[in-house]
Amino acid sequence: AQKVTQAQTEISVVEKEDVTLDCVYETRDTTYYLFWYKQPPSGELVFLIRRNSFDEQNEISGRYSWNFQKSTSSFNFTITASQVVDSAVYFCALSRDNYGQNFVFGPGTRLSVLP
Amino acid sequence: DGGITQSPKYLFRKEGQNVTLSCEQNLNHDAMYWYRQDPGQGLRLIYYSQIVNDFQKGDIAEGYSVSREKKESFPLTVTSAQKNPTAFYLCASSITRAWTEAFFGQGTRLTVV
Repeated sequence: AQKVTQAQTEISVVEKEDVTLDCVYETRDTTYYLFWYKQPPSGELVFLIRRNSFDEQNEISGRYSWNFQKSTSSFNFTITASQVVDSAVYFCALSRDNYGQNFVFGPGTRLSVLP
Repeated sequence: DGGITQSPKYLFRKEGQNVTLSCEQNLNHDAMYWYRQDPGQGLRLIYYSQIVNDFQKGDIAEGYSVSREKKESFPLTVTSAQKNPTAFYLCASSITRAWTEAFFGQGTRLTVV
């Protein structure tokens, strides 16, 4: 069965610090996708990134970067120079089946960026 | 603007009553989902539908029911059989191409009083 672990329940940093959110997953599928979503206080989840199991290249988008390592089953998310607007709950998710139409979510990490 | 609309934002229900949560999307997506969010537990799948007039149970379907009579709408009924209905409910939709991301509504917070 698929499982996603986000061991960090809550993290607090001061603005401009870098922060890494950990995600460890379990799956027996050879083809799968991993996702990161952000949930701001307004409630809706906002899609950040999708990565397939065959693409281990790191991804950078502005202040955000992702490190995917199949050897350790991890898909970590780093925010560089954090800002107060980054305060949110962040979820890592794994595609549930080969059709990939629904997902297993981790428990989430609540990030607080203090001014 | 295209998106997913959930209503109401806050809902209070007396024990023993059924209540229906609304979810409407104008993204022309075929697939729709209902998730339940509890503190520290992430999102758990209740029901999903990949096409009109068809839906599948998720991990925690007991005490819930859905219908999918129209492509745009996927209402969720929380029945009196649901033992612990107080939670935050999120509706999502996606295209049916494999491994695409889902788009989420702003959620409904249900409280049983």
